[in-house]
Amino acid sequence: NAGVTQTPKFRILKIGQSMTLQCTQDMNHNYMYWYRQDPGMGLKLIYYSVGAGITDKGEVPNGYNVSRSTTEDFPLRLELAAPSQTSVYFCASSYTGLSYEQYFGPGTRLTVT
Amino acid sequence: AQKVTQAQTEISVVEKEDVTLDCVYETRDTTYYLFWYKQPPSGELVFLIRRNSFDEQNEISGRYSWNFQKSTSSFNFTITASQVVDSAVYFCAGGSQGNLIFGKGTKLSVKP
Repeated sequence: NAGVTQTPKFRILKIGQSMTLQCTQDMNHNYMYWYRQDPGMGLKLIYYSVGAGITDKGEVPNGYNVSRSTTEDFPLRLELAAPSQTSVYFCASSYTGLSYEQYFGPGTRLTVT
Repeated sequence: AQKVTQAQTEISVVEKEDVTLDCVYETRDTTYYLFWYKQPPSGELVFLIRRNSFDEQNEISGRYSWNFQKSTSSFNFTITASQVVDSAVYFCAGGSQGNLIFGKGTKLSVKP
């Protein structure tokens, strides 16, 4: 049982490049989330999904896209990377909504230069 | 609107001291959920505890204890006899509608 896995662990992008952050969970959780954590700050929600085929925006969705074709996978797509997207990205999952704790992946440290 | 406030940005203690981390969650909803997470220097986020707004019983788990007071919207976290391994950033989070809102975190440094 690996929990929540994320790839890559580190990535450096040039301004304008695109990339996909991968996230997979093996706990059969319905809910999945993407957060970003900027230095000295808490986590801010980018997008979330309540099940396969259903996604919705969080607090800071601009510049990102998501899809959820399976229960296990929830990739985050960055289009036209900008320096403001330099951050640590965490994927999380939970059995259902707020009444259950979220389990986090190890994070992806992204730098855009 | 919801708001999570962790007023303490950084705390430094000497090993074996007790330390309390403060958290205030503001919402107009009567049903909500509160969480504490630990982020050690390695960077991962570790779930510590979940509490719902109808349960005001204090909870103790080893050296950790949590005190929830609905009247003051506070959900404080106490570490008894702190150890160097407790050094981390601790996040409080709350949610009543939709998704979790995280506080900015309290960085705890425990010195030997």
